[in-house]
Amino acid sequence: QSMLTQPPSASGTPGQRVTISCSGSSSNIGGNYVFWYQHLPGTAPKLLIHTNNKRPSGVPDRFSGSKSGTSASLSINGLRSEDEASYYCAAWEDSLRGPVFGGGTKVTVL
Amino acid sequence: QVQLVQSGDEVKKPGASVKVSCKTSGYTFTSYGVSWLRQAPGQGLEWLGWISGYSGDTNYAQRLQDRVTMTTDTATSTAFMELRSLKSDDTAVYYCARAGYDVLTGYTFDFWGPGSLVTVSS
Repeated sequence: QSMLTQPPSASGTPGQRVTISCSGSSSNIGGNYVFWYQHLPGTAPKLLIHTNNKRPSGVPDRFSGSKSGTSASLSINGLRSEDEASYYCAAWEDSLRGPVFGGGTKVTVL
Repeated sequence: QVQLVQSGDEVKKPGASVKVSCKTSGYTFTSYGVSWLRQAPGQGLEWLGWISGYSGDTNYAQRLQDRVTMTTDTATSTAFMELRSLKSDDTAVYYCARAGYDVLTGYTFDFWGPGSLVTVSS
């Protein structure tokens, strides 16, 4: 069972806004930065958001991250067919001295 | 450009060991670490550990630290991950990722390899 909790699925039509939640505790999200990764089947995962809300070069500004207390969220504005993928949140876990991941949220574009 | 190229898929019997390689290019190997992660069928991502490309210092996930060893060859900018005493639930796609480390932010996995499927079956 993951230490970070994500909904297993989310969906939207093209152009819609989709928001994915990630719930943790004071020992991970509450005291550390949050990262988001995008994973398409058969490909290498891709860093989408780092340090809560920063986008690496090349990531469209349709993707945004936020954090409040022990929860974080990833929003995709203007949903596109190529956004159909699984999205994972991650944060450092103090008790394990390493990062933990959420179980992943599969986004479907209807 | 940054690239991580992993070794091929492997099939192993329970109790055996597997060693996966990750050859990097396009950046200064000793300026970053390399982390190993895996994804079992139908499961999410699991972090296995980190090794410094500079010093060879390691940080292993607690639940695997008795069975995993990570090493590097700085001459070829290659990282290796060996997992021993394989069990069926070690069947997974294993990824290497370039992992910058900062005491404030932890690890940032900014470039990933394509993955190596390790199947453990009798």
